[in-house]
Amino acid sequence: KAGVTQTPRYLIKTRGQQVTLSCSPISGHRSVSWYQQTPGQGLQFLFEYFSETQRNKGNFPGRFSGRQFSNSRSEMNVSTLELGDSALYLCASSLDQYSYEQYFGPGTRLTVT
Amino acid sequence: AQSVTQLGSHVSVSEGALVLLRCNYSSSVPPYLFWYVQYPNQGLQLLLKYTSAATLVKGINGFEAEFKKSETSFHLTKPSAHMSDAAEYFCAVSPQVTGGGNKLTFGTGTQLKVEL
Repeated sequence: KAGVTQTPRYLIKTRGQQVTLSCSPISGHRSVSWYQQTPGQGLQFLFEYFSETQRNKGNFPGRFSGRQFSNSRSEMNVSTLELGDSALYLCASSLDQYSYEQYFGPGTRLTVT
Repeated sequence: AQSVTQLGSHVSVSEGALVLLRCNYSSSVPPYLFWYVQYPNQGLQLLLKYTSAATLVKGINGFEAEFKKSETSFHLTKPSAHMSDAAEYFCAVSPQVTGGGNKLTFGTGTQLKVEL
């Protein structure tokens, strides 16, 4: 069974631009969560989607948004990029919102210049 | 509010020696606890999880952890370190409430170095 895939793997953007990252969960998994990993703040929860609905949200500004499609694929969007948004963005999938077992993708490395 | 504290950002052991990575948690509700490992340029891999069944949890690659409520700890151990264990290890907690399981709060990580 294929694992969680994230595209693109690497991305360079300029301050002020917006970016969209994509995540395809493991087949059959319906919950997708997003995390940001930085050297300074560590791993921080962004949001979780299940059945196309945001179920949980972390403490991030409104510039960070996401959505989930009917096939469980998810995208996250960051608008008006700031230098501090440079990070590894990790997507994790699980069977549902109760499984407590998440499988992580390799991440998208975003660099904002 | 929940949090985890990992003592020691860097731990170095000799190959074949005991690995002990420390994690203490703080939670206002019964927690679920996890250990993840991250190899360079990769995502996180689940090593083991505690979900209020047995307090001694066995995971992959010979790792295990014991949930101690009285000490609010969930330390990770492996009897004999292997060079391939060198990686960064993260302890994480989630609330034991309906629909809250996938919202993980991570510790700051412990970089494990294994020396010959």
